[in-house]
Amino acid sequence: AQSVTQLDSQVPVFEEAPVELRCNYSSSVSVYLFWYVQYPNQGLQLLLKYLSGSTLVESINGFEAEFNKSQTSFHLRKPSVHISDTAEYFCAVSDWAGTASKLTFGTGTRLQVTL
Amino acid sequence: DVKVTQSSRYLVKRTGEKVFLECVQDMDHENMFWYRQDPGLGLRLIYFSYDVKMKEKGDIPEGYSVSREKKERFSLILESASTNQTSMYLCASSFRGPAFFGQGTRLTVV
Repeated sequence: AQSVTQLDSQVPVFEEAPVELRCNYSSSVSVYLFWYVQYPNQGLQLLLKYLSGSTLVESINGFEAEFNKSQTSFHLRKPSVHISDTAEYFCAVSDWAGTASKLTFGTGTRLQVTL
Repeated sequence: DVKVTQSSRYLVKRTGEKVFLECVQDMDHENMFWYRQDPGLGLRLIYFSYDVKMKEKGDIPEGYSVSREKKERFSLILESASTNQTSMYLCASSFRGPAFFGQGTRLTVV
């Protein structure tokens, strides 16, 4: 069985400050990792993904995450946040076992950016 | 771009009603999923399907059933709606990669 732990339910931060949203996972097999973002009253949008290769992955809007196998972590970072980054962020893991790629989600971290 | 469309954004139903939530994807994805989202609990998997007419229970299948008669369509059925099924329901599809989500259906059972 796989599981995901997002250590912070809420993260308040001032605009232009750096931020890190923490994610740890557990799985007995090789994993694939994702971060999703959800704006109010919308579905989830894929922010970035780790499938294989470089352990540092980046999104088009300045977020990055690093896969750390030894620490079983996939923390999300941004060096300078904007008001428009205010949203809920979900970390997810998939093990691709069997015929279906089932995603398991964390409980989410609400990022609140203020002036 | 992948498009996953859920038939309703908002629904209000009465206790005991049979409720159908419909989801359609346009990318020929093998896998489709129904999740339920509640504050503080994140997303919990109700059912998923990896092929037409194939389904598997997720973490919280009680009170729900699903139907997948065509590859592009995955329906969630609440056999007899109850107030504790008031929630946001999210459909997703995938194939050998990340899942893509619909906009969600906010269901209120009164």
